[in-house]
Amino acid sequence: AQSVSQHNHHVILSEAASLELGCNYSYGGTVNLFWYVQYPGQHLQLLLKYFSGDPLVKGIKGFEAEFIKSKFSFNLRKPSVQWSDTAEYFCAVTSTYGNNRLAFGKGNQVVVIP
Amino acid sequence: AAGVIQSPRHLIKEKRETATLKCYPIPRHDTVYWYQQGPGQDPQFLISFYEKMQSDKGSIPDRFSAQQFSDYHSELNMSSLELGDSALYFCASSSIRQPRVKNTEAFFGQGTRLTVV
Repeated sequence: AQSVSQHNHHVILSEAASLELGCNYSYGGTVNLFWYVQYPGQHLQLLLKYFSGDPLVKGIKGFEAEFIKSKFSFNLRKPSVQWSDTAEYFCAVTSTYGNNRLAFGKGNQVVVIP
Repeated sequence: AAGVIQSPRHLIKEKRETATLKCYPIPRHDTVYWYQQGPGQDPQFLISFYEKMQSDKGSIPDRFSAQQFSDYHSELNMSSLELGDSALYFCASSSIRQPRVKNTEAFFGQGTRLTVV
């Protein structure tokens, strides 16, 4: 079964700072990778996804992520955060040969101080 | 664009009661997934249905059951509720069209917040 690791569960930073959230997965086969954002009290919204092709993926709200196959990583980045980026961020993975269930990491709680 | 609709949005039940959560997928989506997110936790996969048949099963307690109906909406039935069942329950839908399609994205509903007292 797939598993996903996210480090630094709580991240506090100031507006305009850069953000990088790490995500590592363990699975021997080919995977699809996702980053979801969950604003307080809200549902999960897709930030970006990687299926194949260019390993540098650009998503909404200025986020991007890079898939490094050799490191089993899919780290999320944003060059300059805003107060409105305060949220919880989840990395998730599905196997390309399976029933499409998402395996989530524990999440990163990001707080941006104005 | 139409999204995944869940009802109710909030539900308060007492221990040992039953609860039914409903999910209406995006039109023409053939697959529904249920996830449970406890307080401060990551979402955990419960169960999924493809074309009205159970397609995958995760950590769903025996007290819970679910089904997908002919109009593709799904219901999660929870009996003998326990305090630990208090959580946010998400439904997601996707369009797979056949089992084992490689690339597909799931769209999430707003969730039902269940509180068991």
